[in-house]
Amino acid sequence: DAKTTQPTSMDCAEGRAANLPCNHSTISGNEYVYWYRQIHSQGPQYIIHGLKNNETNEMASLIITEDRKSSTLILPHATLRDTAVYYCIVRVAYSGGSNYKLTFGKGTLLTVNP
Amino acid sequence: SQTIHQWPATLVQPVGSPLSLECTVEGTSNPNLYWYRQAAGRGLQLLFYSVGIGQISSEVPQNLSASRPQDRQFILSSKKLLLSDSGFYLCAWTSSGMNTEAFFGQGTRLTVV
Repeated sequence: DAKTTQPTSMDCAEGRAANLPCNHSTISGNEYVYWYRQIHSQGPQYIIHGLKNNETNEMASLIITEDRKSSTLILPHATLRDTAVYYCIVRVAYSGGSNYKLTFGKGTLLTVNP
Repeated sequence: SQTIHQWPATLVQPVGSPLSLECTVEGTSNPNLYWYRQAAGRGLQLLFYSVGIGQISSEVPQNLSASRPQDRQFILSSKKLLLSDSGFYLCAWTSSGMNTEAFFGQGTRLTVV
């Protein structure tokens, strides 16, 4: 299984961009990178995912390096409500190739400060 | 649209009592289903996952079991709860395939006393 490494915590000023890094050096060619976040005492929420191209949606941007060994989630204008634990995960295959288990690391606690 | 229901939201149970947490998904068929546990201040630990009725994979040995009696129903059980079973339990589902996101229920806060 491809593992991910994230910093334990980060701080960001309100209104500034938050850049959350993730290392996944053992990712294989057909594995996607997914980002979720978990606000305290709630279930995780999907943010964005990508394979090798950069992706953008209404919540965030995902920048994946050319060698796919790392990625960065960008929240362009962080707000206080973006304070959460952010998880970077890689989808791994369960036997048969079409169904997948889903494992999370410890994530990064992002604190947005006023 | 698809929805996931998980109940109860909170539960206080004495040590040695049984446990049954239920999760149901609506609006999709043949989902992959997952149970996670999150201890206080810790990350998400995958407990069980299921790719079909009656098909359960366990990630870690523990005092819990899971069952999938129907396509969109996933149940987490224990015959005798331990103090260490306390935590935040989350159910999730994904569609089959690689390029799909996971959707989580709102969780059950279990306190074993």
